[in-house]
Amino acid sequence: EVQLLESGGGLVQPGGSLRLSCTASGFTFNYAMSWVRQAPGKGLEWVSVITDTGGGAYYADSVKGRFTISRDNSKNTLYLHMSSLRVDDTAVYYCTKGMPARLAVFFDKWGPGTLVAVSS
Amino acid sequence: SYVLTQSPSVSVAPGKTAHISCGGDNIGTKSVHWYQQKPGQAPVLVIYYDSDRPSGIPERFSGSNSGNTATLTISRVEVGDEADYYCQIWDSTTDHWVFGGGTNLAVL
Repeated sequence: EVQLLESGGGLVQPGGSLRLSCTASGFTFNYAMSWVRQAPGKGLEWVSVITDTGGGAYYADSVKGRFTISRDNSKNTLYLHMSSLRVDDTAVYYCTKGMPARLAVFFDKWGPGTLVAVSS
Repeated sequence: SYVLTQSPSVSVAPGKTAHISCGGDNIGTKSVHWYQQKPGQAPVLVIYYDSDRPSGIPERFSGSNSGNTATLTISRVEVGDEADYYCQIWDSTTDHWVFGGGTNLAVL
């Protein structure tokens, strides 16, 4: 069974940094992966995608230059390093598995999410 | 950037058919994917590539896409289908992934 489990969320002050992790199990970790977020009471917002090998990364305009997506295929783990955090980055962050494998067109599995709260 | 437009809410009686639309410029030329999100839960993929169903998704869920509108159709609606539904595309011209604003399906 495919499982994705996010960790690393929490409360951080504006301007601060945080690193999210997503541990994958139940499948061979050679798929594109993504982060999608959802602000409280709002809709889904795509954040970032990384290709199967990590050779390509794509970002939403709202996070480009502040967030970095990476992966360690030897550890079946996806990361999102977030810096210069703003209040409007407050959201539940979901780790998702992409399909097709090389570059996600859609997201067929989602983790339960981890909450990031940016507040002073 | 590409915009997907969804109605905020749709209401349907149990046993009837619900149609949830997703509008976009020439969306019929793109592949549309649909997600169901129940309160307090992570989204679940219910339709991909316009009309394909993942394993485990009931045949009551179907999709179509043409012109400027993609549609998720839920037949014989059940109370358990109450959820928010999101459409999504990959915009290959910008390498951006776009979600619609979501539609809340109420089963009355």
